[in-house]
Amino acid sequence: NAGVTQTPKFQVLKTGQSMTLQCAQDMNHNSMYWYRQDPGMGLRLIYYSASEGTTDKGEVPNGYNVSRLNKREFSLRLESAAPSQTSVYFCASSEGPGGTQYFGPGTRLLVL
Amino acid sequence: GNSVTQMEGPVTLSEEAFLTINCTYTATGYPSLFWYVQYPGEGLQLLLKATKADDKGSNKGFEATYRKETTSFHLEKGSVQVSDSAVYFCALINSNTGKLIFGQGTTLQVKP
Repeated sequence: NAGVTQTPKFQVLKTGQSMTLQCAQDMNHNSMYWYRQDPGMGLRLIYYSASEGTTDKGEVPNGYNVSRLNKREFSLRLESAAPSQTSVYFCASSEGPGGTQYFGPGTRLLVL
Repeated sequence: GNSVTQMEGPVTLSEEAFLTINCTYTATGYPSLFWYVQYPGEGLQLLLKATKADDKGSNKGFEATYRKETTSFHLEKGSVQVSDSAVYFCALINSNTGKLIFGQGTTLQVKP
């Protein structure tokens, strides 16, 4: 049981480039989440998917899109990266909305 | 709205000292409360949780009691070790929204 896995671990982008962060969970969870972590600000919710086939905006969705590919996978896309998107990105999953969330190891993104 | 406030860090202690990290919350309804820990370079791990008033969550020598009357969930440990050095996040889930709200995190540094 790997839990929640994320790829890549680290990425450097130039302003304007696009990329997709991948997340997968093997716990048969229904709900999945994307957060960003910035110094002194804790974690902030970008997007979430309460169940397969649904996605909703969180606190800071601007500049991002998501896809719930299937029950296991939830990807986060940056269409045109900006330096303000330099952050550490965490994916999480839970059995259902309101359930205990389990986190992946994170993706460290640097946008130059 | 819902919010979580943690004591500011960093907290620096000597090994075997007593630890308290304060956490207070504002929420509508009856949230579940959590402490997550983030070791250097890693993702967040669930440390303990409590789902209703007067519940005590405990794990690895850490404890926190859900106090509805003071809207608090302070983290305590009787004797810290160097290996406890990490960032600790208090969080709540509002059962109505299903969203996890984090405090800003408190860095703990334990010196030998």
